[in-house]
Amino acid sequence: EPEVTQTPSHQVTQMGQEVILRCVPISNHLYFYWYRQILGQKVEFLVSFYNNEISEKSEIFDDQFSVERPDGSNFTLKIRSTKLEDSAMYFCASRGATGNQPQHFGDGTRLSIL
Amino acid sequence: SQKIEQNSEALNIQEGKTATLTCNYTNYSPAYLQWYRQDPGRGPVFLLLIRENEKEKRKERLKVTFDTTLKQSLFHITASQPADSATYLCALDDNYGQNFVFGPGTRLSVLP
Repeated sequence: EPEVTQTPSHQVTQMGQEVILRCVPISNHLYFYWYRQILGQKVEFLVSFYNNEISEKSEIFDDQFSVERPDGSNFTLKIRSTKLEDSAMYFCASRGATGNQPQHFGDGTRLSIL
Repeated sequence: SQKIEQNSEALNIQEGKTATLTCNYTNYSPAYLQWYRQDPGRGPVFLLLIRENEKEKRKERLKVTFDTTLKQSLFHITASQPADSATYLCALDDNYGQNFVFGPGTRLSVLP
C-alpha cells in the first residue's frame, strides 16, 4: 500500500537556525497538509496546500513558516528562524481529491530545538 | 467558541469487552468525521470515515456512529484485544477538507 514518507525522522537544530522538513506524499494525491504535535498534546493543523498554493493556514503558521512543492513529488515545510517552542513532531499528510477522502499521514519528523 | 472533546484521556478495559469512545464537538458543522489510531512515536493511521448523512459505519470489529443533532460520534471496538491498545483520535473537517481539527485523543488500554 502506498504511504507518505518523511525525512529526516529526527532533526536537531540550534535556536535561530533554519530547518526544512521533507515529505513525499502519495503519488496521486492532490491535497497536502502539515500538522504538529507537541509532546503529550493534540495534533494541531498548520497548513493545507492544493494546486500549488496554500488553501488554509492556522494561527500557528506565521511568517516564520513556509511550504513548497518544488517538484512533482516533494512537499516541504521550512521554518526560517527556529524557536525553542517549535520543538515538536511534525506530520505531513495527503489525500485524494474525490469526495470525502481520508488523510494519510507519514510517521513524522521529531524536531528538537536547542 | 469551537471545541472538540473526547470523553476521557484514558480508558482501561478487559480483553474481549467492547470499548466505546466518545467524540463531542461544538460550533462546527463538519461534512464528515474521521477516526484515527496513533501509536507512540508514529503518525495517525486512518480507521474509519463517516459522512454527515450516515448514521453508522462498520469495518470488521470497528463501528462508528455520527449524530449531527447531538454533535457526537461514538467509536466502538468489539471483542477488544491487547493489540488494540493505542490512542484513538477523532478528527472533523472544518472547511470542506481544507482544514481538519483533531480531538485530544483517548488512550485505550486493553488488559489481558
